[in-house]
Order: sequence, then structure tokens, then C-alpha cells
Amino acid sequence: QVQLVQSGAEMKKPGASVRVSCKTSGYTFTGYYFHWVRQAPGQGLQWMGYINPNSGGTNYPQKFQGRVTMTRDTSIATAYMELTSLTSDDTAVYYCAREGLSGSYFDYWGQGTLVTVSS
Amino acid sequence: EIVMTQSPATLSVSPGERATLSCRASQSVRMNLHWYQQKPGQAPRLLIYGASTRATGIPARFSGSGSGTEFTLTITSLQSEDFAVYYCHQFYGWPQTFGQGTKVEIK
Repeated sequence: QVQLVQSGAEMKKPGASVRVSCKTSGYTFTGYYFHWVRQAPGQGLQWMGYINPNSGGTNYPQKFQGRVTMTRDTSIATAYMELTSLTSDDTAVYYCAREGLSGSYFDYWGQGTLVTVSS
Repeated sequence: EIVMTQSPATLSVSPGERATLSCRASQSVRMNLHWYQQKPGQAPRLLIYGASTRATGIPARFSGSGSGTEFTLTITSLQSEDFAVYYCHQFYGWPQTFGQGTKVEIK
């Protein structure tokens, strides 16, 4: 069965960077686009961008351009999201999500990684 | 940016009753509208994609309708496990955006 397993919770100081991983299994890693979505405490969902695991190509919304980098390691079927210059506003649960093959929806999600930014 | 507006923010429903959730887009997203369910401490779960297609394993009491700018998620005969927050999501305009969510709570 399809599984997306994310790395554990992180605590960072303002100005630091964080890298979250998402290890996949149960399907062909390079066959599906990969997205990252975050959710601040008590808030809604915010899309952060995507990576094409086959080519490594990425696309980020303007809000995160310059601060986010998405990469992948096809040898271990794992995707990564790095966010730099952290502030308290980046405190959130970060989710990886697989894009469905027949459309633009997210059919499988990781369990989420809590990133807390505090001095 | 396409703004997705969900209503109501909170919906109080008794078990066994019907719930109707709305999602409005600030401009047309055609049929590129999807619905997710999220329970506390859990990741979102895909319910409906392409406005009206149920995802794998989703019970028939969940249905979606609409196109363009107006969409509806209907849950007939609410079960205890259906009390959660529901989000709509558009993947037509750039960037993708989500609604702010509708919380379905027990009346």
C-alpha cells in the first residue's frame, strides 16, 4: 500500500533553516508529482509548491520563492523540503502529499511534521 | 490568486441528519475543485476530486456537485466519524489555494 512517512518534529531558532523528509513506498516514486502543504496552528492549509520526482523540476508560489527548496533522492524514494530564514510565522505542521495520476488533487498525504520556530 | 470562500464556518448537525457545505471561488476553476476531510491531529484525507468523483474507499453518503465558481459537498445521514473539518481546494489557478474550512460539529 502507498505510504508517505515524514521525519520527526523540529524545533528551530529564528533565522535558521529546516529540512523535512518524506519517504515513500508502495508505488513508483518517479511516476507522481510531489507537493508540500503547511498548516499553522488552528489555521487552514497553505500550498508551498511541488517537485517532479522524475526530472527534479520544481515550481514554487511567489510567497515562498527564494526561501524554499524541494529536492528528491530517487534511489531511496524520498522527497525533501528545506525552508530557510525561519520566523515564528513558519511555525506549522508541514505535510507532503502525492498528486493524483488522473488529476490535480492530493490522494495520499504524509502524517505531518511539526516545525516550531522559537527563540 | 483565486480566493476560495467556504460557508458556513461551523455547521452544527445531529447524527443521522444531512449536512450541506458550500465553497465559492472568486473566479472560475471549472471542475478543478476537490474536497478533503481533516480530523484533529491527522492529515487531510481526499474525499472528492474533480468536483464530483468520490475517492477510493469513500462512502456513498459523501457527494460533490458544482462547477465554475459554486460547489457543494453533501453528507447524507451523518455518522459519528464524519464530524471533522472539511476543506475545498482549487488546482486551476496559480497558486493553488484552499478554503478556510468548514467545521462540522455535533449538535
